[in-house]
Amino acid sequence: NAGVTQTPKFQVLKTGQSMTLQCAQDMNHEYMSWYRQDPGMGLRLIHYSVGAGITDQGEVPNGYNVSRSTTEDFPLRLLSAAPSQTSVYFCASSYSIFGSQETQYFGPGTRLLVL
Amino acid sequence: SQQGEEDPQALSIQEGENATMNCSYKTSINNLQWYRQNSGRGLVHLILIRSNEREKHSGRLRVTLDTSKKSSSLLITASRAADTASYFCATAYAPAGNMLTFGGGTRLMVKP
Repeated sequence: NAGVTQTPKFQVLKTGQSMTLQCAQDMNHEYMSWYRQDPGMGLRLIHYSVGAGITDQGEVPNGYNVSRSTTEDFPLRLLSAAPSQTSVYFCASSYSIFGSQETQYFGPGTRLLVL
Repeated sequence: SQQGEEDPQALSIQEGENATMNCSYKTSINNLQWYRQNSGRGLVHLILIRSNEREKHSGRLRVTLDTSKKSSSLLITASRAADTASYFCATAYAPAGNMLTFGGGTRLMVKP
């Protein structure tokens, strides 16, 4: 199994541009989530999903959209990038719909720089 | 605001010594998890302890949970240079719905 994969690994954007961060898992996990990590800090939850067609907001959802059309994929869209969105983005998955109660499997992260 | 807060923020020890990190949280929880993050990498799960458990072991790791004090500790015994990493606690609690929230982490440096 590849586990949780994320693309791209690194991206530079200009203010106002949009982009999609890709996340995929091959473990048939129901629960998927997106976090951002700012320098020297912990992770903050952006959005999460408990299955295909179901998404919900986390702590810091503004400026981001998500969708879950399949169990495997959970893309994160930046609608109009701002310098405040410069961060490292991690996708994670866990087995069941009660995913917050379980071990999270993290992807390697995407480093985003917004100029 | 973050649910869990780690203490200390940074810790530097010699190889072979024990390292203890603490996590405090604000509200009742369902479980508490500890993760490790090597520089520039994703997080790796270490241990999950449920609210009805008081202590859990995994190899050189020992985690305790005191729900009356709303705190947990992670002990790494006989540390190695390879243990150098950031360590995070994460909590899941019912009022937040199905969300897992992370603390700010403890940066551990183990000197050879």
